[in-house]
Amino acid sequence: GAGVSQSPRYKVAKRGQDVALRCDPISGHVSLFWYQQALGQGPEFLTYFQNEAQLDKSGLPSDRFFAERPEGSVSTLKIQRTQQEDSAVYLCASSPMTSGSYEQCFGPGTRLTVT
Amino acid sequence: QKEVEQNSGPLSVPEGAIASLNCTYSDRVSQSFFWYRQYSGKSPELIMSIYSNGDKEDGRFTAQLNKASQYVSLLIRDSQPSDSATYLCAPPRGTGGSYIPTFGRGTSLIVHP
Repeated sequence: GAGVSQSPRYKVAKRGQDVALRCDPISGHVSLFWYQQALGQGPEFLTYFQNEAQLDKSGLPSDRFFAERPEGSVSTLKIQRTQQEDSAVYLCASSPMTSGSYEQCFGPGTRLTVT
Repeated sequence: QKEVEQNSGPLSVPEGAIASLNCTYSDRVSQSFFWYRQYSGKSPELIMSIYSNGDKEDGRFTAQLNKASQYVSLLIRDSQPSDSATYLCAPPRGTGGSYIPTFGRGTSLIVHP
């Protein structure tokens, strides 16, 4: 079956531009997570959705970052007025979150480079 | 104290040896623990999950959990060059009735022929 997909796979943005990153989770997965991974680091949590509800956005680094999942399936992470420090791989993961299973399936990631 | 601590390595072992990867965590309420493997340029993939104290074996992999010591480890027996990757420990932290896997920076493992 299809896994988690993300688009675009690569994005180059000039500083100050807005970007939108898309995540298509596995069908039926209730939970969706966004992570930011800088080179040589582990994934850093950004935000978490359960269906369409954003239950935790404590990891969003600034108010320039915004995420939504309006129909409880596809999610978009938007970064406004991009800065060089936003350059990273943005990972999306989904999880069925049933019977205490929190195991995540990750998408391939979007590599964002801000010049 | 960081939520998850891992030795960044690299840990270098010869082919056929046992590789031992360790992780300590700070969230005492963590109930389940995950090990992910991440190849260079790829996304993390789940390789082991463990929910109770003791050992769990899956093929060449054994996860060991000690909740009292807040310590979890991953042993890889008969290491192969294809095991060369970064291994991420991910104990979930509780938030709003749910659990969010929180990652360490990972340990880089190099298995040399």
